[in-house]
Amino acid sequence: TQLLEQSPQFLSIQEGENLTVYCNSSSVFSSLQWYRQEPGEGPVLLVTVVTGGEVKKLKRLTFQFGDARKDSSLHITAAQPGDTGLYLCAGPFNAGNMLTFGGGTRLMVKP
Amino acid sequence: EAGVTQFPSHSVIEKGQTVTLRCDPISGHDNLYWYRRVMGKEIKFLLHFVKESKQDESGMPNNRFLAERTGGTYSTLKVQPAELEDSGVYFCASYRGSGNTIYFGEGSWLTVV
Repeated sequence: TQLLEQSPQFLSIQEGENLTVYCNSSSVFSSLQWYRQEPGEGPVLLVTVVTGGEVKKLKRLTFQFGDARKDSSLHITAAQPGDTGLYLCAGPFNAGNMLTFGGGTRLMVKP
Repeated sequence: EAGVTQFPSHSVIEKGQTVTLRCDPISGHDNLYWYRRVMGKEIKFLLHFVKESKQDESGMPNNRFLAERTGGTYSTLKVQPAELEDSGVYFCASYRGSGNTIYFGEGSWLTVV
């Protein structure tokens, strides 16, 4: 059983559409991170959310941390083909800052 | 500033053989992590070095895996003997500490046949 469950696992949309992906857990996290991974590359950090209810924006990407710090969402407005990739959420599970990852959402944006 | 570099990028070996993966962290990053993603599964933590010391190796799957970080610089992860279920991508990450960003390498893809 994964500590962090991401949904959907796969998402294929047309350019210009909006989308939301989710990261859920039954455990409380002190923070959650969102990464994007492209083929042949390692995960690249997009954002870290720390405070329950926090909302962070990165251009067309909006990240929200749940009030209870058990879940997070990533909303993309007007998706572009360049947004295509694997989106991962991750959270620390001990003081050493080691991360537990969700299974990821694989997004494809068609032109 | 150079990123985290990993070698080899791809490796295909036969079951029972030995493979050694190398990771060069970002200069000045004392924290070095190994993670891996096997087919169909999420990325999982293997171990954590602080300089040359193993801080946490609770994620190492079994004693066929040996990680070292001599001198606190680069790290190696050796799999001996390799089994089919070891196939996957092995990521190295480094981190300066204290709220800074964790940087991942591009990964070493291992296929055991």
